[in-house]
Amino acid sequence: DAGVTQSPTHLIKTRGQQVTLRCSPKSGHDTVSWYQQALGQGPQFIFQYYEEEERQRGNFPDRFSGHQFPNYSSELNVNALLLGDSALYLCASRKNRGNTGELFFGEGSRLTVL
Amino acid sequence: AQSVSQHNHHVILSEAASLELGCNYSYGGTVNLFWYVQYPGQHLQLLLKYFSGDPLVKGIKGFEAEFIKSKFSFNLRKPSVQWSDTAEYFCAVNSNDKIIFGKGTRLHILP
Repeated sequence: DAGVTQSPTHLIKTRGQQVTLRCSPKSGHDTVSWYQQALGQGPQFIFQYYEEEERQRGNFPDRFSGHQFPNYSSELNVNALLLGDSALYLCASRKNRGNTGELFFGEGSRLTVL
Repeated sequence: AQSVSQHNHHVILSEAASLELGCNYSYGGTVNLFWYVQYPGQHLQLLLKYFSGDPLVKGIKGFEAEFIKSKFSFNLRKPSVQWSDTAEYFCAVNSNDKIIFGKGTRLHILP
């Protein structure tokens, strides 16, 4: 049973560029959330997708956008990258039905912006 | 906005010492509370959770947490820590279907 998988694991970009991060949820899960974890901080909620729509959003600018596909996989896009966007980006999934609130996390994508 | 506060950012203990990590949350309604753990080089995983019922919750690896509603607290405890408990611990609250995390406590156990 595959857990949450994310790609790429590491990437380096320069200021102003755009990045796309990908996530496949745990088998049987249909709800995907994205988090940003800066060094020394806890994960910060970016947004949550269910039924291919953004259902919840945290306090992140519009440069952060996402998408969910019919197979429940998801992408996180960040435009006009800033140095402060350097962080570990975590994808988490769960079932919407019978939701216990427990999230299953991937290993993350570490983004460095130079 | 809902928030979670973890009082200890970095804790160092010797093996067999007792552990208590503090966690307070701001939300006043019905809460679901969690402790997640991240071992070195691994992904975040659930340690234990509280939804309702007995406020003393037992999790994996001998950890437990007590929900005290009057204090808005959900402290994590373990009577006797092991070197393998070295990890980062995050308290979290389910706020309107969003899981909000604290800043984490880095626990280092000396052998």
